[in-house]
Amino acid sequence: DQQVKQNSPSLSVQEGRISILNCDYTNSMFDYFLWYKKYPAEGPTFLISISSIKDKNEDGRFTVFLNKSAKHLSLHIVPSQPGDSAVYFCAASDSTDINNNDMRFGAGTRLTVKP
Amino acid sequence: ETGVTQTPRHLVMGMTNKKSLKCEQHLGHNAMYWYKQSAKKPLELMFVYSLEERVENNSVPSRFSPECPNSSHLFLHLHTLQPEDSALYLCASSQQTGAGELFFGEGSRLTVL
Repeated sequence: DQQVKQNSPSLSVQEGRISILNCDYTNSMFDYFLWYKKYPAEGPTFLISISSIKDKNEDGRFTVFLNKSAKHLSLHIVPSQPGDSAVYFCAASDSTDINNNDMRFGAGTRLTVKP
Repeated sequence: ETGVTQTPRHLVMGMTNKKSLKCEQHLGHNAMYWYKQSAKKPLELMFVYSLEERVENNSVPSRFSPECPNSSHLFLHLHTLQPEDSALYLCASSQQTGAGELFFGEGSRLTVL
């Protein structure tokens, strides 16, 4: 039961261009979404989040867009830099469920930014 | 000193061995987690501890045994594992359970021969 899906296992982008990473979810109760970034031999690190009361959240070069009706969110990186090359995980949770301890993760998308 | 540290970083063990993974968080968080990451699969939640009490066990086989002696330390005891248990085991912590940012350790890469 994969409630969070990242259908693109990999993405390659030229330096300076925009990277768009996509994520779909099935559980309409999810109301808090996060993106994590993972370099090889390191644990995932938090990148950016968005609450379902918003449809956009921006932090520097990173913007997350949320389309609740489509149950879809995306991460935009612009301009992309070679140091952005990593695996990006989408995650979602239901903050209203006090018994919910399980943040659901996607399988990840490997982004390669070419110089 | 990083927020969440895991040891060992790499572990190779036979199916009859007993070993343990250790996690320590220096963030003053109340919740700690064990996740399993297999190749090309989503992170799978294994165990959740809140204030040293186990609050979730996601149908994990008994050959994995967690221990949380205090809010800063979390162990995963391994016994008679199978080759399919080979994976990256990630420890994480958060201020409290539920929604919110997770802080991950670097992971322990386990290979079961």
